[in-house]
Amino acid sequence: EIVMTQSPATLSVSPGERATLSCRASQNIGTNLAWYQQKPGQSPGLLIYGAFTRATGIPARFSGSGSGTEFTLTISSLQSEDFAIYYCQQFDKWPPGTFGQGTKVEIK
Amino acid sequence: EVQLVESGGDLVQPGGSLRLSCAASGFSFSSYGINWVRQAPGKGLEWVAYISGSSANRYYADSVQGRFTISRDNAKNSLYLQMNSLRAEDTAVYYCARRGGVMETITTRFFDLWGRGTLVTVSP
Repeated sequence: EIVMTQSPATLSVSPGERATLSCRASQNIGTNLAWYQQKPGQSPGLLIYGAFTRATGIPARFSGSGSGTEFTLTISSLQSEDFAIYYCQQFDKWPPGTFGQGTKVEIK
Repeated sequence: EVQLVESGGDLVQPGGSLRLSCAASGFSFSSYGINWVRQAPGKGLEWVAYISGSSANRYYADSVQGRFTISRDNAKNSLYLQMNSLRAEDTAVYYCARRGGVMETITTRFFDLWGRGTLVTVSP
């Protein structure tokens, strides 16, 4: 099973600043990676798929990059609605589509 | 409106059974594979099971294999998860989540539509 490791566990950022979240896969997964956002009390929502393609309706301040084993989600200028938990998921070796443990982005 | 709505969550004793449902609307339900994903209280996401649009392919996480059964009724636009021999560690919010495309290819294995979830609590 592929293990997904996200860092940091918690990221403290001021509104308007850039946030950079990392996700590492234990094996090469190409670009078969997705990012999800989960706000408190809500279900997850798709942000990015195929490592860098934004889902429908996702603002341009969200961008994904990387391939192989190292991936990054960047939020260029944090808005108040962006404070949430972010999960990466590999879907190269599936089932199972393993998730990372999440990165919580909190207000600094 | 394109949506998935789960129901059926409840408090159940260890060893008991429960059937979850997921009602779909606003899209061609039979064209999409659907997953169950769960989230234990305060924890991360865990994929549980998948069924293809035609029900021809079904997959399960090792943690539920042999205890849970996924099924669907395309005439009713509904997905189900029959859970037997429930354990305390099955306590979680259960989400249904749509596959990211109608084609059964590697590139559509992500989840592009999620329901709000239903809570299953396994406790004496």
